[in-house]
This record gives sequence, C-alpha cells and structure tokens, in this order.
Amino acid sequence: SQQGEEDPQALSIQEGENATMNCSYKTSINNLQWYRQNSGRGLVHLILIRSNEREKHSGRLRVTLDTSKKSSSLLITASRAADTASYFCATDGRGGSNYKLTFGKGTLLTVNP
Amino acid sequence: EPEVTQTPSHQVTQMGQEVILHCVPISNHLYFYWYRQILGQKVEFLVSFYNNEISEKSEIFDDQFSVERPDGSNFTLKIRSTKLEDSAMYFCASMGSGRTGELFFGEGSRLTVL
Repeated sequence: SQQGEEDPQALSIQEGENATMNCSYKTSINNLQWYRQNSGRGLVHLILIRSNEREKHSGRLRVTLDTSKKSSSLLITASRAADTASYFCATDGRGGSNYKLTFGKGTLLTVNP
Repeated sequence: EPEVTQTPSHQVTQMGQEVILHCVPISNHLYFYWYRQILGQKVEFLVSFYNNEISEKSEIFDDQFSVERPDGSNFTLKIRSTKLEDSAMYFCASMGSGRTGELFFGEGSRLTVL
C-alpha cells in the first residue's frame, strides 16, 4: 500500500507567502515526520508529531495531524527563497519497533524572490 | 553540531563489481539505517541495524546487500555484484538511544552503475 503521499507534487509561490503541503497515509502510525531535502543533498529533519498530538509548531513551521482522516499538513509561513526544496512526510508505523520510516514522494516547493 | 558522515560522495562502478559505501553515524547513537533514493523517486527503506545485528530489512535488501559495523564508529553497506538498477543515492541515518523517532541523515553517496 502507498504510505505518505504528499500533495501537491509541486508548488510555486512568491517570497513572503505561506506554503501548505499535505500528506495522506493509509496505516496506523506512531508518529509522522516532515523532512526537507535540498537538491542533491541529504534529508534534514524538520518536525515530528506524535499520533496523540493534533498540532505542533516550530519557528515558521506548523504541522497538523488528523488521524481520523489519516492526513497531515505542513505550513511554512512567510516563505523565503531559501525554503526552496523538496519536502517529504514520513510515517513510522504503529506496532513497529525499529523506527522504519516510510516516505512519500515529496512536494517540490519553489519560492520565487 | 554532530552529523552523519558518508563517503564516497559519488562512486561510479561497472555492473557486476562490488561496492562498499561508508558511514560514520553520530557517536552516541545506537540505531542505524540505510535508505536509498532512485532519481526522482521516493526514499526507500533498506535495512535497520541495532545491537550489532539487522533488526529489519526490506525486500530490496536481498542477498546482494550486506551491512557491517566493523568497529565502534563505521557502518558500511556492501553491494556484492552491482546491477544497473542499483544506481541511486544511498543515505545512511542514525538515531539516538532516546528513541525519539527522529533520524539524522547523512548527505548521501551517489552510486552510478554503468
């Protein structure tokens, strides 16, 4: 089954605007995480939200989680050109003990100066 | 800030050759992982390693793949006989003993099989 599918696949906005990316998943989870990847680089952890949490903030990032809908959203406020990157959600399935993450295909965010 | 270090950053090899990718996880971490990302596709789990043994592996991680932690710092991924479809970016990751769920990834090793 597909787990961690983001939409949109690509998003282009102007600097200063907010960017919202969504993620849907199919199986029960322990937590959901968002990672960022600059082109050709490694994955950088942004934020983790546990299955019993509904919303979490970190700086300009806001993540929501709706376990009834099996979906999450990542909001980046007041975007900057440096936010241009691919953003992935990753789920850690409930019942697992090895913290094996299942990644989505990602949203490519372009922030135009 | 502690980081996961991977070498080489890029390796080109001929089909059928053996390749070893090296990783130095964060020093006090206990859980280690290899993921791969074929160009333009999802990041895929390969294997997790804890307490000197494989704790879980995916169906991608067949008999051609192996992992080792030969000393207290290195964590290697070996591909015995590379195929064209092994061309990908390989990421090493580690997680601390607190089991927060947050993985720290290296910058990746790009493998090109010709």
